Amino acid sequence: VLLQESGPRLVKPSETLSLTCTVSGGSISTYYWTWIRQPPGKGLEWIGYVYDSGITNYNPSLKSRVTISVDTSKSQFSLRLTSVTAADTAVYYCARQNQDAFDIWGQGTMVTVSS
Amino acid sequence: QSVLTQPPSVSAAPGQKVTISCSGSSSNVGHTYVSWYQQLPGTAPKLLIYDNDQRPSGIPDRFSGSKSGTSATLGITGLQTGDEADYFCGTWDSSLSARVFGGGTKLTVL
Repeated sequence: VLLQESGPRLVKPSETLSLTCTVSGGSISTYYWTWIRQPPGKGLEWIGYVYDSGITNYNPSLKSRVTISVDTSKSQFSLRLTSVTAADTAVYYCARQNQDAFDIWGQGTMVTVSS
Repeated sequence: QSVLTQPPSVSAAPGQKVTISCSGSSSNVGHTYVSWYQQLPGTAPKLLIYDNDQRPSGIPDRFSGSKSGTSATLGITGLQTGDEADYFCGTWDSSLSARVFGGGTKLTVL
């Protein structure tokens, strides 16, 4: 199974960050599909997940700005983060959660928030 | 400030053993399974250990995990220069209702 992130690398302050993760080589069913980010030189921050049924769970610190959705017909899941600021500049990873661990990760995509 | 506490850095000579600690609380490490990730420079994290002490297929037995109470430990034996990386622990926090990670530990193989 391979995961590949795609989307704009540069987003203006106050606008919406949108990323898509394409799942290939395996089924999107029966797993929790997750977004995790890593600001430059810093640690990992869990953003949230979506199950194949569409059930979601978000980090309370980001919940008011985050939407994660899934399109099983395209084997894709997506992240929307609204009202971005420079603090949202990070490498964004999509990952598969298998029970209690993230066993497959995308390569990550660097998103910069700047005017 | 990360919910899980890891030492910022550890170092050891090639062939030696190193341990990396991950300290939490009863709402996270003490409550459920811990996983460990290796992040080589410029790459995505890779799962090393899940369910406290289980290795995914393909991970050498030089890597081991353990947990006692509210602390977890990653052990690496027979250190190689290729083990130089950042290592993160992670788990679920029932108080925060969020998955949390340690701040990461940079391993240097001298």
